[in-house]
Amino acid sequence: QSALTQPASVSGSPGQSITISCIGTSSDVGGYNSVSWYQQYSGKAPKLMIYEVSNRPSGVSNRFSGSKSGNTASLTISGLQAEDEADYYCSSYRSGSTVVFGGGTKLTVL
Amino acid sequence: EVQLVESGGALVQPGGSLRLSCAASGLSFSSYWMNWVRQAPGKGLEWVASIKQDGSEKNYVDSVKGRFAISRDNAKNSLYLQMNDLRAEDTAVYYCASFRAVAGIFWGQGTLVTVSS
Repeated sequence: QSALTQPASVSGSPGQSITISCIGTSSDVGGYNSVSWYQQYSGKAPKLMIYEVSNRPSGVSNRFSGSKSGNTASLTISGLQAEDEADYYCSSYRSGSTVVFGGGTKLTVL
Repeated sequence: EVQLVESGGALVQPGGSLRLSCAASGLSFSSYWMNWVRQAPGKGLEWVASIKQDGSEKNYVDSVKGRFAISRDNAKNSLYLQMNDLRAEDTAVYYCASFRAVAGIFWGQGTLVTVSS
């Protein structure tokens, strides 16, 4: 079961916007509106940032937004802040009643 | 406050068995799909298994099928993962997570399983 494809790392300066991509197939990302994004600090549990492609849970900053086009989902963080420096993971429902994660992207705030 | 507290992680020899537990509080446990997600040292997240609210449906990643078994006890607000025939590649922090709309809303802090001789 291959993982979704994410860039290993992205970086940006404070105040800028960055976008993290998550590439799947028609059996997961492209076939369902069940893409989620998680933020994880080192040694901590993941935190849900986006669910169902573009929905934010209560309490998550509106600087975080999600979208999808075809087999590619994206997470955009606008107005980058130092506290955004973390690892980010996408996940999706995959046909066959399973869940698949991306390999993770390390965000560095310069 | 929602709390998911995992326990049962340990150092175990290859071929051994272990049972993980997850105690839930502060949420309507029986309303959620429950999942186990693991993270090998320095690696990414990997979904391991899920179980429906009433326990009637269980799903597993291919690499653990036939070796791991997920179960739940809604009366005790608890989730379990029975792990048999453990391998070095099962070494990871195992997280318990409650899902809704295929999204992990609440997560525990994890329990470390180390498979080594």
